[in-house]
Amino acid sequence: ETGVTQSPTHLIKTRGQQVTLRCSSQSGHNTVSWYQQALGQGPQFIFQYYREEENGRGNFPPRFSGLQFPNYSSELNVNALELDDSALYLCASSLVGDSWKQYFGPGTRLTVT
Amino acid sequence: GEDVEQSLFLSVREGDSSVINCTYTDSSSTYLYWYKQEPGAGLQLLTYIFSNMDMKQDQRLTVLLNKKDKHLSLRIADTQTGDSAIYFCAETLKAAGNKLTFGGGTRVLVKP
Repeated sequence: ETGVTQSPTHLIKTRGQQVTLRCSSQSGHNTVSWYQQALGQGPQFIFQYYREEENGRGNFPPRFSGLQFPNYSSELNVNALELDDSALYLCASSLVGDSWKQYFGPGTRLTVT
Repeated sequence: GEDVEQSLFLSVREGDSSVINCTYTDSSSTYLYWYKQEPGAGLQLLTYIFSNMDMKQDQRLTVLLNKKDKHLSLRIADTQTGDSAIYFCAETLKAAGNKLTFGGGTRVLVKP
């Protein structure tokens, strides 16, 4: 049990729609990262937030955006969904002073039809 | 550049040792990790090793790091059926903060 929760568990959307995925971290975990895991592959880094500001981004287009809130929760927003966005989306948080150790949530399975 | 490679599949008998291998290309790795993912679940951090170490043992798990060959391995002693899962190695780099770069995963099947 990592103390990181994500909602919803599963989601089905249509191409072109927008989606918001949510993550809730433990108290004190002020760094949150989001990863996309396509079927049969390893997770790919999307971006990271630290103290409510973006702090690094992977090779994902601007239609992937995020927010981090003072209560250790965060959101991943994806606009103009494409079929290739179908994946498991994982968030990971880390503790102040221990940022190299990331704890993952169970993920949200997004299916785009 | 960043590249982490793993073999796709490993089959092992219950009670035997499993060895999962990983190679990486960037010598500026700071930490290297092993994560476990069971079906339909997120990632569980199993163990990690700092890049200036050669070996780390944690109960049934032994991590070996060969920096010269950029090779990381995870040995699981006395493998159990509950060890059946996908195992990912991952690294963080000095220049990239704590962004994790993952390999493609090794599916381990433990046969009774």
